[in-house]
Amino acid sequence: GAGVSQSPRYKVAKRGQDVALRCDPISGHVSLFWYQQALGQGPEFLTYFQNEAQLDKSGLPSDRFFAERPEGSVSTLKIQRTQQEDSAVYLCASSFLAGVGDTQYFGPGTRLTVL
Amino acid sequence: QKEVEQDPGPLSVPEGAIVSLNCTYSNSAFQYFMWYRQYSRKGPELLMYTYSSGNKEDGRFTAQVDKSSKYISLFIRDSQPSDSATYLCAMSEESSASKIIFGSGTRLSIRP
Repeated sequence: GAGVSQSPRYKVAKRGQDVALRCDPISGHVSLFWYQQALGQGPEFLTYFQNEAQLDKSGLPSDRFFAERPEGSVSTLKIQRTQQEDSAVYLCASSFLAGVGDTQYFGPGTRLTVL
Repeated sequence: QKEVEQDPGPLSVPEGAIVSLNCTYSNSAFQYFMWYRQYSRKGPELLMYTYSSGNKEDGRFTAQVDKSSKYISLFIRDSQPSDSATYLCAMSEESSASKIIFGSGTRLSIRP
């Protein structure tokens, strides 16, 4: 594919439901990032993978949030027992390597609404 | 207080005007400074990237970093309606270059 893709683009969940958000990075990109963007705010870092290794998960807001990238390509962000404050756009980005000199390419995001 | 502060706008200017967008920050360890553009319902895209202090020019865009004042700017010359978007400043430390801290974004509208 030409860029980072995310699915679904929109997700509505009832409070307490579990959700899974998928990210397909650009082929061959080593690094993958997840961000949370609340309405009217900038993206906030959640977690970072280098290949299949999760090197930084300091931004995950609670133990209800879990991310994986088992084969070093596709990644899934899972949110258990969703709460209204989880409503946001979840952005995925990938970069060829790991340094800041490597541009992070963002997907269009998944807009999660928790009712 | 947030690590990165950015005026949310909205900012509305006529086509052809020079636009100035700014951010301040509190973390003196930031070494990498970026500007992203985000169109509605799209992901951010990198516009400019600067290491440490100084200026960088790319076409109609100029990025400036003043580390002594903890202040960064993005200038857009000859602004076009297609420049209408949200502009996000972003920064990271040398020691954790992959972890980017974003400002809240400034909404910019260029009136034809």
